[in-house]
Amino acid sequence: DAGVIQSPRHEVTEMGQEVTLRCKPISGHNSLFWYRQTMMRGLELLIYFNNNVPIDDSGMPEDRFSAKMPNASFSTLKIQPSEPRDSAVYFCASSLSPQGRNTEAFFGQGTRLTVV
Amino acid sequence: GENVEQHPSTLSVQEGDSAVIKCTYSDSASNYFPWYKQELGKGPQLIIDIRSNVGEKKDQRIAVTLNKTAKHFSLHITETQPEDSAVYFCALKLVFGAGTILRVKS
Repeated sequence: DAGVIQSPRHEVTEMGQEVTLRCKPISGHNSLFWYRQTMMRGLELLIYFNNNVPIDDSGMPEDRFSAKMPNASFSTLKIQPSEPRDSAVYFCASSLSPQGRNTEAFFGQGTRLTVV
Repeated sequence: GENVEQHPSTLSVQEGDSAVIKCTYSDSASNYFPWYKQELGKGPQLIIDIRSNVGEKKDQRIAVTLNKTAKHFSLHITETQPEDSAVYFCALKLVFGAGTILRVKS
């Protein structure tokens, strides 16, 4: 398996633009997580899905952020409109655990987002 | 949510020495305790984990110990090598610690 695949690896966009980050989890994994990593706040859980259903989105910072998982092999994280403070590395991860809490999480390589 | 405190934030050791990183937590119902390693430009990767029915687990130079009474678990790296230099995270119920930057000096 190729692991968790994220695209793009790098994204530079202007403030106010819409940004869409994409993730393909490992086949057979039923939990998917979106994290944001910054120097100031570390690794923050934004949202996680189980069997394509959003379970906990309490980490989503604002209404500008939205995430979808239309099927078991694809998820998106969208920021609209983007702001400079959204600049961070965004990670997608997947796991086998039904609740996603008691087994290893496999992380993608991340998307480095820069909003100017 | 879960509260996870990780110490130290940075750790510098001489090659060949041991390194210990500790995490304390608040939720006594937790039963899975993983440690992740993150190298530059990559996502975190699991290096060792332990479940609450055991107190220690070893994998070559890496070990994790768990004290459920005191609510802390620790990562132990022996005979450190330059390639051990990275950021290490503990995690609990999807919440990650703040991370420890380990630098192994050769």
